[in-house]
Amino acid sequence: QSALTQPRSLSGSPGQSVTISCTGTSSDVGSYDFVSWYQQHPGKVPRLIIYDVTKRPSGVPDRFSGSKSGNTASLTISGLQADDEADYYCCSLTGSFTYVFGTGTQVTVL
Amino acid sequence: EVQLVESGGGLVQPGGSLRLSCSASGFSFSSDAMHWVRQAPGKGLEYVSAISPNGGSTKYGDPVKGRFTISRDNSKNTLYLQLSRLRVGDTAVYYCVRRTGGSFGYWGQGTLVTVSS
Repeated sequence: QSALTQPRSLSGSPGQSVTISCTGTSSDVGSYDFVSWYQQHPGKVPRLIIYDVTKRPSGVPDRFSGSKSGNTASLTISGLQADDEADYYCCSLTGSFTYVFGTGTQVTVL
Repeated sequence: EVQLVESGGGLVQPGGSLRLSCSASGFSFSSDAMHWVRQAPGKGLEYVSAISPNGGSTKYGDPVKGRFTISRDNSKNTLYLQLSRLRVGDTAVYYCVRRTGGSFGYWGQGTLVTVSS
């Protein structure tokens, strides 16, 4: 099972929006609505920020939103803030009922 | 409050073995599937293994299939991962994770496994 493909890095100024893509295949992202996103600050534990493609756990700001089209899922961060500077990973259920993570995207707030 | 506390990590030589444990509290452990996810130093997250609530079904990522064994003791609220035939490439922080629905809602702090001669 190959890792889902994400851009290595993205950047934006405070207040701007960034969108992170997560490209899989018809056997994972394209087949299931079990796509989730995780935020990880340096030295910290990953934190769930989006689940089931579009849903936010309680406590996650609505500046974070998720979507999916075909084999590609996306995470959009609106109104970038300094604390959004972190690594972001997507994850999807696969056809063998395991999970696969994305390659990870480092977001920098300029 | 959900708590997941891993233990058992350490330094081991290539070819060696190690058993990781994860003590769970704050939820009905016997009702939830549990997983292990790892992260090599400076690298991304990698799915390792999963076990069903009653332990009857297990899954493994391709890199660890045939070498790692996941198990659980619901009477002790504890998850295990037996690591065998370890390779340098298995060096990573190993996280115990509780799955909620189709995502990983709760993570432990992780335990570091270093495979080196």
